Amino acid sequence: QVQLQESGPGLVKPSETLSLTCTVSGGSISSYYWNWIRQSPGKGLEWIGDIYYSGSTNYNPSLKSRVTISIDTSKTHFSLNLTSVTAADTAVYYCARLAQGHFKHWGQGTLVTVSS
Amino acid sequence: SYVLTQPPSVSVAPGKTARITCGGNNIESKSVHWYQQMPGQGPVLVIYYNKDRPSGTPERFSGSNSGNTATLTISRVEAGDEADFYCQVWDSGSDHPVFGGGTRLTVL
Repeated sequence: QVQLQESGPGLVKPSETLSLTCTVSGGSISSYYWNWIRQSPGKGLEWIGDIYYSGSTNYNPSLKSRVTISIDTSKTHFSLNLTSVTAADTAVYYCARLAQGHFKHWGQGTLVTVSS
Repeated sequence: SYVLTQPPSVSVAPGKTARITCGGNNIESKSVHWYQQMPGQGPVLVIYYNKDRPSGTPERFSGSNSGNTATLTISRVEAGDEADFYCQVWDSGSDHPVFGGGTRLTVL
């Protein structure tokens, strides 16, 4: 059974870069699209972007200028960098695997707070 | 980009049937997927391809999609079904997934 686990700092200062890693276990990172999704407190789900195992990426236009997603297939993880963060970026960040248009496998989520 | 509209809340008495809608332009042309999010937890897929249930989803959960509305139906609602529910489709126009705003199901 595929499992995903987010890791990274829980607190980031305004204007700095948010960096998270998603470790994939129980299955190959090859094939599939690997995604980042976030949920601001009390709000709905917002898709951030994805990366195919080959390295091709696709980002939410509203975040595209600040987002980079990368993948390390040899180490079975992929990462999110979000630059110039503000309080509006405070959210629970999830990684998830996309297959046939839906997300069956999710990480447990990690709360990132942007505050000085 | 494609927009999905859900009612913010739905309330139902135990044992009754809850229907949660997801509206979108000609949504019947798309595959709709549904997620349940319990308080303090991450989303869990409960319906995919409009009406298919992953293993682990009770048979009380069913889905349909017609015209401009997809519907998640929960029969014989239990207190443990209280959660937020999100619909999701793939927007081929923008080539990315789109989520509805979510519906909070309250069991009275």
